[in-house]
Amino acid sequence: GENVEQHPSTLSVQEGDSAVIKCTYSDSASNYFPWYKQELGKRPQLIIDIRSNVGEKKDQRIAVTLNKTAKHFSLHITETQPEDSAVYFCAASDRGNYGGSQGNLIFGKGTKLSVKP
Amino acid sequence: DGGITQSPKYLFRKEGQNVTLSCEQNLNHDAMYWYRQDPGQGLRLIYYSQIVNDFQKGDIAEGYSVSREKKESFPLTVTSAQKNPTAFYLCASSGQVGTEAFFGQGTRLTVV
Repeated sequence: GENVEQHPSTLSVQEGDSAVIKCTYSDSASNYFPWYKQELGKRPQLIIDIRSNVGEKKDQRIAVTLNKTAKHFSLHITETQPEDSAVYFCAASDRGNYGGSQGNLIFGKGTKLSVKP
Repeated sequence: DGGITQSPKYLFRKEGQNVTLSCEQNLNHDAMYWYRQDPGQGLRLIYYSQIVNDFQKGDIAEGYSVSREKKESFPLTVTSAQKNPTAFYLCASSGQVGTEAFFGQGTRLTVV
């Protein structure tokens, strides 16, 4: 099955700096890669996702890049703000048990991002 | 918000007792999932169900059981066989593969 590795486990940056979180996956058939943000005591929420036919996607200060050959994808946050402080999870969707008609999200272990004012 | 509801938010049980966590969604999603979250461990998949009346074990299914009698509901039972049940449990649902998974607010279970 799919295995997702996420680094670093903790990241501290100064407000206004950029933050980069990296993930690798093992299953070359995975084709959907979302990123979730979880604030303290709250549920994870999707912030951006990318599919395997796209190399990069941007949404304001957030961008995700995907390298299918190397099987890794990264989250980039520019001009960080204190409200960006949270735990970020990457995930990859594997094939599931129905011939690819449904896939399960396999998550990385998370990165705790702290943005210092 | 999000159309998926977990209850209760906090749950306390004595060791040796079974306990059932509720998860209901009104998003008409076929797939539902249960994850366990421990500090530094990320989200680990317990069970998942891709259609009604069918479910599969995830990575850490031992000591847990589920049912999927209705599309809207996917309750998780933490049995006395689960050696370390104290954790934060998250339920999620999604439509088709390659679409967003929506999470419930979570249930924090403490076994004393």
